[in-house]
Amino acid sequence: AQKITQTQPGMFVQEKEAVTLDCTYDTSDPSYGLFWYKQPSSGEMIFLIYQGSYDQQNATEGRYSLNFQKARKSANLVISASQLGDSAMYFCAMREGGRNNNDMRFGAGTRLTVKP
Amino acid sequence: NAGVTQTPKFQVLKTGQSMTLQCAQDMNHEYMSWYRQDPGMGLRLIHYSVGAGITDQGEVPNGYNVSRSTTEDFPLRLLSAAPSQTSVYFCASSWQGTQYFGPGTRLLVL
Repeated sequence: AQKITQTQPGMFVQEKEAVTLDCTYDTSDPSYGLFWYKQPSSGEMIFLIYQGSYDQQNATEGRYSLNFQKARKSANLVISASQLGDSAMYFCAMREGGRNNNDMRFGAGTRLTVKP
Repeated sequence: NAGVTQTPKFQVLKTGQSMTLQCAQDMNHEYMSWYRQDPGMGLRLIHYSVGAGITDQGEVPNGYNVSRSTTEDFPLRLLSAAPSQTSVYFCASSWQGTQYFGPGTRLLVL
C-alpha cells in the first residue's frame, strides 16, 4: 500500500505568491516523522523541513512551513513569497517509528514551476 | 566537511557487467542507505546499514549487494547489470532520523 501520496504532479505559482504542496500519508504507528525535500534540476536532494508526530506546533524553516493535520493524515508544505529559485521537484517522505528508525518512504513528487 | 560523496557521477554499463557505486560520508553517521530514483516513482530504498558490519534489505534489494566495513563507506554492488537497473542512485547518511543525500550517480545499462 502506498504510504505517501502526492496528488499534484505539477504546480504553477506566480513569483512572490504563496503555494501549498499537498502530501497525505498512511501509518498506524503513533510515532513517525514527516519530511520535505527539494530536488532542483541539478539533481541533488535538499532537506527542507521536518515534523514529528508528537510535535505540538507546525514546523517552520524560513519561507517553508508544514501544515500538519494529524487527524487527516496530511502534511502539506507551504512556501511563502515564492522565488524563481524555488522551481524544482518537491518530495514528501515519512519515517515510521522513532528517530532510530531510518527507513524512509517517499512520495512520487510534485514539480513546482514559479512564473516571473 | 564534505558531507556525503558519491562516485562516479555517471556510468554506462552493458547488460551483464558488474560494478560498484561508491559512497562515503565524513559526518560519523551510523546510519547509511541507498535509494534509486525512477521517473514518477520517487525514491525507493534498496539497502541500508545501521552501523559498521550491519546491513539489511530495503524495498527493492534484488540485484544489489552492500557491505559496511567502516562507518565512512557504504558501497553498492551491481552483480550483473540489467536494463531495469537504469536509474539515478542516491546514497544518504542519517542523523536522528533526518537523511542527508549525496549528489547521486546516474547509471545507464544498455
